[in-house]
Amino acid sequence: YVLTQPPSVSVAPGQTARITCGGDNIGSKSVHWYKQRPGQAPMLVVYDDSDRPSGIPDRFSGSNSGNTATLTINRAEAGDEADYYCQIWGSGGDHDVLFGGGTKVTVL
Amino acid sequence: QITLKESGPTLVKPTQTLTLTCTFSGLSLSASGVGVAWIRQPPGKALEWLAISYWNDDNRYNPSLKNRLTITGDASKNQVVLTMTNVDRGDTATYFCAHSQWQRGFDYWGQGTLVTVSS
Repeated sequence: YVLTQPPSVSVAPGQTARITCGGDNIGSKSVHWYKQRPGQAPMLVVYDDSDRPSGIPDRFSGSNSGNTATLTINRAEAGDEADYYCQIWGSGGDHDVLFGGGTKVTVL
Repeated sequence: QITLKESGPTLVKPTQTLTLTCTFSGLSLSASGVGVAWIRQPPGKALEWLAISYWNDDNRYNPSLKNRLTITGDASKNQVVLTMTNVDRGDTATYFCAHSQWQRGFDYWGQGTLVTVSS
């Protein structure tokens, strides 16, 4: 099982960025999203497809259906520039945990 | 407040065994639903899950590394230890430990520790 993310996404300040995570029937799984800034540990921004941990602004939202899960960042800010990773549990094979390849979000 | 911290050598020689310790506070490894995982990230590359120790003493491994990894959870010491045998340069990475509750994502992470494999 493979989670496919685009290598990069660009967004203008104040606009909307959408980061996709593709996988076979991923809509049947729970998807979690992480933000990682250079030199820092990843931070959970969305869990269970669309829930936000406390402290995460509602500009971050998630959806999941069919073969694609999406992390949406509304009203993008300079501080949103980071790498973003999707992650699932129980991919159906032997992997208990699987990460996508990551997407570099650039706020132009 | 949950905190996790990784410790171990910063430099390891090829073919040696690497031992990393995750020491945590604010959580109990014996509490239902808890899992503590090891995840690594080679320089400039993506996250890679290595292994996880669950509250019920169930341990799981990345199948591509399974033969080289052992994870041990010790609830009494608030630690999870990862050993990796026969390291090579491809194992150079920042190694993170992270907490999950009922598989709702990894909500707490350690700061990571950079391990370099070099002779």
